[in-house]
Amino acid sequence: QQPVQSPQAVILREGEDAVINCSSSKALYSVHWYRQKHGEAPVFLMILLKGGEQKGHEKISASFNEKKQQSSLYLTASQLSYSGTYFCGTVSGAGSYQLTFGKGTKLSVIP
Amino acid sequence: SQTIHQWPATLVQPVGSPLSLECTVEGTSNPNLYWYRQAAGRGLQLLFYSVGIGQISSEVPQNLSASRPQDRQFILSSKKLLLSDSGFYLCAWSGLVSSYNSPLHFGNGTRLTVT
Repeated sequence: QQPVQSPQAVILREGEDAVINCSSSKALYSVHWYRQKHGEAPVFLMILLKGGEQKGHEKISASFNEKKQQSSLYLTASQLSYSGTYFCGTVSGAGSYQLTFGKGTKLSVIP
Repeated sequence: SQTIHQWPATLVQPVGSPLSLECTVEGTSNPNLYWYRQAAGRGLQLLFYSVGIGQISSEVPQNLSASRPQDRQFILSSKKLLLSDSGFYLCAWSGLVSSYNSPLHFGNGTRLTVT
C-alpha cells in the first residue's frame, strides 16, 4: 500500500527549514528518501532501517518511528539546490524487493 | 564504478505499435533490476523486478512485459501500446538481496508519449 506524504507542496525562501512527512498503514522495515529534479531521475538520499534511527546528510536529515510507521525528512537552512520533488519509499518486509513510493512532495526554494 | 544506461531518452509511438526499452548496468554483477513508471505529476509505480537471468516478477497487470536475457540487461516490451502507457519509464538497479537496506540507482529514464 502506498505511503502518504505531506505536504504535497511547499515553497520556502533560502535559509528556511522544512519538514516532509511520510506515513504508512503497514508495518515498515525501512524507509528510503529520494529527490527528483524536474525531468531527471530520482537520486538516493538515505535509508532508515527498523530501529528508530535518525540519519543525516549535510543539512538534510531524517527520522524513522517504526511504532508510528512514520518517517520525517528535515531540511535545514534550505538552499536553491534543494528544490525538487521528494519521495519516500517504504519496504514492508526484510526480504522484500518491493519499494513502494509515495506521491511525492514538491519543494520549491526561492531567493 | 557502477553505471546504468537506459535508452532511448524520448520516444513517440502511435497507439497499437510495439515497444522495446532497454537498460544495461555496468560495473556490478548479479544486480536486482527494476522497471518503474511515473505518470505526469505522479509517484513512481513499480512494474517489474528481476533478481536473476530469466526471473521476472510483475507487480501490475498490464499489456507490458519484461525480460532479462543477460545478467545486466533488462528489457521492457509491449506488443501493442495503449494511450495509458504514456509516461516516464525508469530502470533501476540495487546491489543487495533485498530492498530493505539497498538503495535504488536509477537510469536517466525514457519519456514515452503514445499518440
